[in-house]
Amino acid sequence: AQSVAQPEDQVNVAEGNPLTVKCTYSVSGNPYLFWYVQYPNRGLQFLLKYITGDNLVKGSYGFEAEFNKSQTSFHLKKPSALVSDSALYFCAVRDPGTYKYIFGTGTRLKVLA
Amino acid sequence: NAGVTQTPKFQVLKTGQSMTLQCAQDMNHNSMYWYRQDPGMGLRLIYYSASEGTTDKGEVPNGYNVSRLNKREFSLRLESAAPSQTSVYFCASYRAGESTDTQYFGPGTRLTVL
Repeated sequence: AQSVAQPEDQVNVAEGNPLTVKCTYSVSGNPYLFWYVQYPNRGLQFLLKYITGDNLVKGSYGFEAEFNKSQTSFHLKKPSALVSDSALYFCAVRDPGTYKYIFGTGTRLKVLA
Repeated sequence: NAGVTQTPKFQVLKTGQSMTLQCAQDMNHNSMYWYRQDPGMGLRLIYYSASEGTTDKGEVPNGYNVSRLNKREFSLRLESAAPSQTSVYFCASYRAGESTDTQYFGPGTRLTVL
């Protein structure tokens, strides 16, 4: 069965510092991987995806993610965090051959001024 | 272009009552989804509809029914609400073959079952 794991419930980082939010996955076949962000009292918004190609994927708001096949990871990164990046971040995988998405449990990012 | 809309935004039910959550999208998307979000559990798929006329169970379908009324609308029904169904419910849509391969989410319905 396909699954994703987000090992950290919360990540705290100082404004201006680099941030990493971790995600590992387990899929059969080639993974379709995604990051979504949720601001308070809002639905999820798409940040970026990996389907194929370059292992470093760039997305919205200066975020990027690195696909690592040997470590089955897809960590979200940003070189310089902003207070406005504080939100709940979800990693997701699409079940190949279907349109079902499986989401991780989410990581709350807190950027401190 | 409103995207994905959900009604109601908030609802309080008593145990045993029934209700229907409504979802509509105006993006001509084929696939639609219902998720519930609970603290520490992330998003869990309740039901999805890959295309008009089809529905499939997700991870947590018990206690729910769905109807894909037409391409635009996908409703979620709780026949006999239970406190365990207290949650935030999100509807999402997706068009097969779209280059961005992404889901679009509604703003959510916050449901409390007493």
